[in-house]
Amino acid sequence: GAGVSQSPSNKVTEKGKDVELRCDPISGHTALYWYRQSLGQGLEFLIYFQGNSAPDKSGLPSDRFSAERTGGSVSTLTIQRTQQEDSAVYLCASSLLRELADTQYFGPGTRLTVL
Amino acid sequence: DAKTTQPNSMESNEEEPVHLPCNHSTISGTDYIHWYRQLPSQGPEYVIHGLTSNVNNRMASLAIAEDRKSSTLILHRATLRDAAVYYCILRDPHSGYALNFGKGTSLLVTP
Repeated sequence: GAGVSQSPSNKVTEKGKDVELRCDPISGHTALYWYRQSLGQGLEFLIYFQGNSAPDKSGLPSDRFSAERTGGSVSTLTIQRTQQEDSAVYLCASSLLRELADTQYFGPGTRLTVL
Repeated sequence: DAKTTQPNSMESNEEEPVHLPCNHSTISGTDYIHWYRQLPSQGPEYVIHGLTSNVNNRMASLAIAEDRKSSTLILHRATLRDAAVYYCILRDPHSGYALNFGKGTSLLVTP
């Protein structure tokens, strides 16, 4: 079946511009996660959605970052007034259930470059 | 948070078994041990997970120490495609459900 998809695969933007990154999770998955991976760094959790519950935004690095999930499916991560330190690969993952044994399925990521 | 410790890198010959160690001496009784791997230029992919007993699946085996303070991911016959960064992760109910990726072990497989 179809996996997690993300678009665009690459995004180059100028400092100060806003960007939107999209994630299409696996159909039926109730949990959705955003992570980012900076060059040479590990994966950093950003935000997580579970069903209709309030999202866990504890990983967002600043108020320039926001995300929404419409209809419990597609999610958009928005970065306002981008900075060069925002350059990274942004990864989306989804999972079926919110349990400790649950498996997360990752998309291919969006590579964001801020000039 | 319960933390994990892995070697920075390991090297293996193709078609040889590989044992990737992970120490987690502060693991709690409810923590699951998960392994993910990330191939170059790809998102992470799930490999295997366990709680107390050893586990086998089509990708690998997971051997968990009796005291659960360490575990070993076993690739029975390494292939060039297995070259990746392998992450050992504890799923901690007190830290939410996000995966806490450390630096992992970079596995090099040589022909």
